[in-house]
Amino acid sequence: EPEVTQTPSHQVTQMGQEVILRCVPISNHLYFYWYRQILGQKVEFLVSFYNNEISEKSEIFDDQFSVERPDGSNFTLKIRSTKLEDSAMYFCASSGPGGGADTEAFFGQGTRLTVV
Amino acid sequence: GESVGLHLPTLSVQEGDNSIINCAYSNSASDYFIWYKQESGKGPQFIIDIRSNMDKRQGQRVTVLLNKTVKHLSLQIAATQPGDSAVYFCAESNQAGTALIFGKGTTLSVSS
Repeated sequence: EPEVTQTPSHQVTQMGQEVILRCVPISNHLYFYWYRQILGQKVEFLVSFYNNEISEKSEIFDDQFSVERPDGSNFTLKIRSTKLEDSAMYFCASSGPGGGADTEAFFGQGTRLTVV
Repeated sequence: GESVGLHLPTLSVQEGDNSIINCAYSNSASDYFIWYKQESGKGPQFIIDIRSNMDKRQGQRVTVLLNKTVKHLSLQIAATQPGDSAVYFCAESNQAGTALIFGKGTTLSVSS
């Protein structure tokens, strides 16, 4: 069964450092997303990406964050100058290929980011 | 505001019972609703979805009910099993490829 894969599973970084979280979406999907979940809280939308550009972003997704699809398979989230409050589980998701409001989003297993 | 929430943070049931998990949403423009299951340390796993032009949809052991009049969504799990123990989130969106807005989650505990 196709799945979204994320690496690494756990990333520890020092405050102020840059991190890149990596995702390989399902191969024929067209929509890509990043979400985050602070421990014990609900899943929060960060950004969606379609046709090689950001289609929507939340208030959380400020200038500290960026996304990129560097090749045909990877989708990355870069966090510049990490802060303690960036510590969370980050989930990548993808949906498609045909769009439509009933196209479910498949989530990866997440990357746990710990900023110390 | 535009948010999706759940009525109860926890629900405890006996194995074999039926479970009902509720969710209230506030965005009347939402067109698509989904229930996700999240086990500890894992990503959300799709359970079932429903469009706004429907009021009921059934899957294997699960049923989703949508009441647009009172903006209420529920997930019914028949013959609940210990493997159903997880956090359940409802989520909404208003068109393809847009953000899913998640509720706060209900932790379902099934005892045998």
